Amino acid sequence: DTAVSQTPKYLVTQMGNDKSIKCEQNLGHDTMYWYKQDSKKFLKIMFSYNNKELIINETVPNRFSPKSPDKAHLNLHINSLELGDSAVYFCASSHPLGAETYNEQFFGPGTRLTVL
Amino acid sequence: GQSLEQPSEVTAVEGAIVQINCTYQTSGFYGLSWYQQHDGGAPTFLSYNALDGLEETGRFSSFLSRSDSYGYLLLQELQMKDSASYFCAACIRTGRRALTFGSGTRLQVQP
Repeated sequence: DTAVSQTPKYLVTQMGNDKSIKCEQNLGHDTMYWYKQDSKKFLKIMFSYNNKELIINETVPNRFSPKSPDKAHLNLHINSLELGDSAVYFCASSHPLGAETYNEQFFGPGTRLTVL
Repeated sequence: GQSLEQPSEVTAVEGAIVQINCTYQTSGFYGLSWYQQHDGGAPTFLSYNALDGLEETGRFSSFLSRSDSYGYLLLQELQMKDSASYFCAACIRTGRRALTFGSGTRLQVQP
């Protein structure tokens, strides 16, 4: 019955490696997001997809590449990992924001990425 | 740019009332959300204000004043389990479909 799921929950890897984080939602939402939360708990949008189409791409290094194979999935691939990439990455989904009855974003449990 | 300011920490005792303020500077502002996040957990939605005034949901209420670019979250009858971080988040009415989050307020409830 999990609404938004992410795998893996923890990821420890060496600098320079390539890794992926997977996200799936079973809520029937059209919009999915990736957020990065740093050690100071600042939560920042990275990407947003609406119905498999990229609609937000914040100032994120192009080592980060999202992929949405269908509207229930949004994966995040990271190339050439750096120490500064260590953070918690949250996937989220919602109905398109701005709709008067729905504003709630549902977050996955997060993936704690540690780059050594 | 978009920015939201919140106090970094607030401490209160069980049973008390606490107010967490949020001031924002955004263009195309549509509404203000509040999210709660326990340590090690995911943010969870608490409330949303699209219109000026007070929205009440049980022990939690949220207020918005568009003219003052200001909102607050009011927590009543505080319980230990309310110790968490609270984020205000602005919904922007532009081509973007995402929330811009404030830096979060860490609430510590003491016995």
